[in-house]
Amino acid sequence: GQQVMQIPQYQHVQEGEDFTTYCNSSTTLSNIQWYKQRPGGHPVFLIQLVKSGEVKKQKRLTFQFGEAKKNSSLHITATQTTDVGTYFCAGPNSGGSNYKLTFGKGTLLTVNP
Amino acid sequence: EAGVAQSPRYKIIEKRQSVAFWCNPISGHATLYWYQQILGQGPKLLIQFQNNGVVDDSQLPKDRFSAERLKGVDSTLKIQPAKLEDSAVYLCASSPRTGGSNEQFFGPGTRLTVL
Repeated sequence: GQQVMQIPQYQHVQEGEDFTTYCNSSTTLSNIQWYKQRPGGHPVFLIQLVKSGEVKKQKRLTFQFGEAKKNSSLHITATQTTDVGTYFCAGPNSGGSNYKLTFGKGTLLTVNP
Repeated sequence: EAGVAQSPRYKIIEKRQSVAFWCNPISGHATLYWYQQILGQGPKLLIQFQNNGVVDDSQLPKDRFSAERLKGVDSTLKIQPAKLEDSAVYLCASSPRTGGSNEQFFGPGTRLTVL
């Protein structure tokens, strides 16, 4: 079945440093979604990328979808303590009439103030 | 707009006992999902409903887990009997429709501990 892998599993940074997490799918994706889960919280949708090579920005966050639509990245510039949490990518299953998301294991970001 | 509601928020039971979780999705959302999230992992889909019909339950351990969505609104997820490995957070999510590309709105989850 489809697999979605994320690296790194953990990342600890000093406040103000940049952070990047990478997502790779075993299959070509029609789109990819990113979610953030604060400690003790629930996943919250951040963004969806659809087009090959697409780049979207949300303030300090930059999301990119690979040309082959099999990988994606999330880059945070100048991290803040509010960025702490686990970042998940999720891709829809390939083929069939059903649409369901497969989540990666996530990257846990901690920020030292 | 009210979000996805879940109850209870926490539950502690002993193995072989039964437990049920309740979810009320966002009003008007046709698609409802139940996920299991084990500590340190991403959410894993257990079952997906479109209105009151099951779209996907391929990863639901049907010998012990069951779910229903009566009238296409609220949903309940039951575990009977529970095992130690069922300890996890059970997340309910909803989206306006299935197919295409839709963000999912998650509830706060129910943290289950099986002793």
